Amino acid sequence: EVQLLESGGGLVQPGGSLTLSCATSGFTFSSYIMNWVRQAPGKGLEWVSTVTGGDDSANYADSVRGRFTISRDNSKNTLYLHMNSLRVEDTALYFCAGGSTWNLFYWGRGTLVTVSS
Amino acid sequence: EIVLTQSPATLSLSPGERVTLSCRASQSVSIYLAWYQHKPGQAPRLLIYDASNRATGIPARFSGSGSGTDFTLTISSLEPEDFAVYYCQQRNNWPRTFGQGTQLEIK
Repeated sequence: EVQLLESGGGLVQPGGSLTLSCATSGFTFSSYIMNWVRQAPGKGLEWVSTVTGGDDSANYADSVRGRFTISRDNSKNTLYLHMNSLRVEDTALYFCAGGSTWNLFYWGRGTLVTVSS
Repeated sequence: EIVLTQSPATLSLSPGERVTLSCRASQSVSIYLAWYQHKPGQAPRLLIYDASNRATGIPARFSGSGSGTDFTLTISSLEPEDFAVYYCQQRNNWPRTFGQGTQLEIK
């Protein structure tokens, strides 16, 4: 059974940092394209970042580029999102999602990040 | 950035009815459009990928069509568990983008 479990969310002050993790099982993580997608309160889904399975190349939404870094540890089957210089508008439920192609076949239930003073 | 516009924003229907949701792209995304279902407190679920391919385990009442800029998701006969928010998403260009969603409500 495929499982994705996000963790690391919480309350952080504006300008602060946080690292999210996504522990996975049930599929060949190292070959999967992995993503972070977020949903702000009362809003729709917003793509945040993608990292490939082979060469670890990454892409970012303009809203997070330069502040967020996606990474993966294939030995631990875990995806990360390192978030710096957090803003109030980064407050959201963060989902990890992945697939053997560019489609988002598998999703977790999300971890909540709240940026507030 | 490719903007995806979904219509309508909200639909109120009864179980057993047929429904068609629309997603229009601001420029061509070829066939690289997916549909997701999302219920509160749950993980989003991939329904359709590459415009018309049903994901594993998705019932046959869900179907997708379209190419270029105009796409539709059809549910042939609504079941009670189908009431949710539906999103389209393109993977043809960076940044990946989602539509704003269509809320499907029970009438």
